[in-house]
Amino acid sequence: ILNVEQSPQSLHVQEGDSTNFTCSFPSSNFYALHWYRWETAKSPEALFVMTLNGDEKKKGRISATLNTKEGYSYLYIKGSQPEDSATYLCARGGSYIPTFGRGTSLIVHP
Amino acid sequence: GAVVSQHPSRVICKSGTSVKIECRSLDFQATTMFWYRQFPKKSLMLMATSNEGSKATYEQGVEKDKFLINHASLTLSTLTVTSAHPEDSSFYICSASGTSDDYEQYFGPGTRLTVT
Repeated sequence: ILNVEQSPQSLHVQEGDSTNFTCSFPSSNFYALHWYRWETAKSPEALFVMTLNGDEKKKGRISATLNTKEGYSYLYIKGSQPEDSATYLCARGGSYIPTFGRGTSLIVHP
Repeated sequence: GAVVSQHPSRVICKSGTSVKIECRSLDFQATTMFWYRQFPKKSLMLMATSNEGSKATYEQGVEKDKFLINHASLTLSTLTVTSAHPEDSSFYICSASGTSDDYEQYFGPGTRLTVT
């Protein structure tokens, strides 16, 4: 993998559903993996920074895992709420220049 | 937490004029600042990376003579859109990175530029 890739591109779920999406990245020369929550025309909100293989981070109903050897991270949202609707971006920080994925657009229907 | 400000938050200018956007790190020294542009239905597109006291590094396809970036101090970077055209209308976001080992970025609130 040469770039940071996120899947799926978009996701529609019902309120209360749990969901997850993937960030894939080059595993060589890994420094850090960032997850952001981003609403259009607003500043991205940092969710997690992960640096170690096997890292698991949690913030409320949102959690993330990291596998640096195979180059992927999962973001999980438990019991999705309409206010979770946003684009979730991951970024690989390597040699300080960040590389962003295209994001996963999540829409939670009430 | 670290705070990054941008000014102005919104600006409307006429075609052919120049617009300057400021990005400031308010409570930390930003060794590196990044400028992004948001295209419709796309993710953040990195325009350039700037380090204090040196020339900015532009991404491929970004015109350095059109998007002038100056990083004069450890707390201030500016982006000047010269001879603006309607297609330059966009949302521009800066971020700043300090000295943490994981290269955490702190984003500004963004600037909405509209060129008429």
